[in-house]
Formats: sequence, C-alpha cells, structure tokens
Amino acid sequence: RKEVEQDPGPFNVPEGATVAFNCTYSNSASQSFFWYRQDCRKEPKLLMSVYSSGNEDGRFTAQLNRASQYISLLIRDSKLSDSATYLCVVNFAGNNRKLIWGLGTSLAVNP
Amino acid sequence: DAGVIQSPRHEVTEMGQEVTLRCKPISGHDYLFWYRQTMMRGLELLIYFNNNVPIDDSGMPEDRFSAKMPNASFSTLKIQPSEPRDSAVYFCASSLGTSGGAYNEQFFGPGTRLTVL
Repeated sequence: RKEVEQDPGPFNVPEGATVAFNCTYSNSASQSFFWYRQDCRKEPKLLMSVYSSGNEDGRFTAQLNRASQYISLLIRDSKLSDSATYLCVVNFAGNNRKLIWGLGTSLAVNP
Repeated sequence: DAGVIQSPRHEVTEMGQEVTLRCKPISGHDYLFWYRQTMMRGLELLIYFNNNVPIDDSGMPEDRFSAKMPNASFSTLKIQPSEPRDSAVYFCASSLGTSGGAYNEQFFGPGTRLTVL
C-alpha cells in the first residue's frame, strides 16, 4: 500500500460545480496534513493545511478523519482557474519537516 | 522578494555526463529541500538541509547523486554519471525554521527539467 494514496482522476466538472477529492494515508503516527496545488509545468504551492477540526478558506474546505486515516478537500462553485493537480501531503511520522506526497488528483473545470 | 531560484530551467544531456543543478533559497530560510518529480513516482524528497547541514539524505537514490550547501544562499545537486532514468523535474524548496519542529510552508522554485538521452 502506498503511503499516501489519491484518486488520480481526471475530474472534469463544469463551472460552478462542487467537487471533492479524497486521500488516504498509511501511517497513523502522521500529524501534519496539507493540500498543495500544482499547475501544469509549474511548482507546487500550498493551498491549505488540514486541521483535526476541519477548516475552510473561501470556497475550499479541508477535513481530516484520523480514525480512518482519510483527508478530503471540497471545492465549491468551481472556477476555470481551479483547474490544476491537487496534491495530498502528509508528514513522515516523527519528522514534521519530511513530507510524503500523493501522486495528485487532476481537476479540469470546463466552461 | 525573490522566491526560490533554480538554474538551469532546462537541461538536456547525454548518458554518462555530469549534471549540476543549482538553487538559491529564499533569504532567511534555514531549511532547504531537494525533490525529484516523475509521473510514475510523484514528488520524492531526496535530501534536506538545516542551517547548511544535511539532515536526511535517505531519499538520494544512489551514490551517483550528491548534494552540497556551502552557504546559506546556495545549494547544488550533482548527478555523476547521469543515466536516462534520472530524467525528471528537480525542485528545490526552502522554509523557515521554528523551535519545536513545527511545520512551516515549503516554497518551491520553478524546477529544473532534466532530460538524459
């Protein structure tokens, strides 16, 4: 089993749609969780951290379920500019600096 | 402020040649990370430094790879000799340090796209 697994997609959705991405991680000792965004042929950029209580940033909502070792990202009212690959990231247990990256979920928002 | 700077942006070389990738972290950041990204394996951490000292190089694939950080504003990743399977995008990232090991956002450079023929 991979340490961080994501559905690769691609997800093709119309503008205005709500879309959800899921991610599972294998090490129950991991304590830091993130979603990064990567545009085509660009570098990854932090989208948001994921906290146990769940957190929201505008149209984006991230949730963490430690019992199931599951992280989610919800995007409401999708925009064309949301088209990108979304990377689920988890820290290596016992080391907050060392990150383990999922392969990413590709999103295409269509007009 | 300038972000993380990497050079070259593209490198095409022949098998067996030496390749040197360069990185300038964001000023004031004391952590520097080297990653490799491929379609099949995604982003993989190769090595990271704290205050110019290598902390974890367990991700370095083999002895052909080496990394140095001679000062706070410069790091290199060298591959010698290069092989076709080294073809990938190599990213450098930097972050601030905090006491207690709390996470700080990693800021990535634009990457070096390496092709080994």
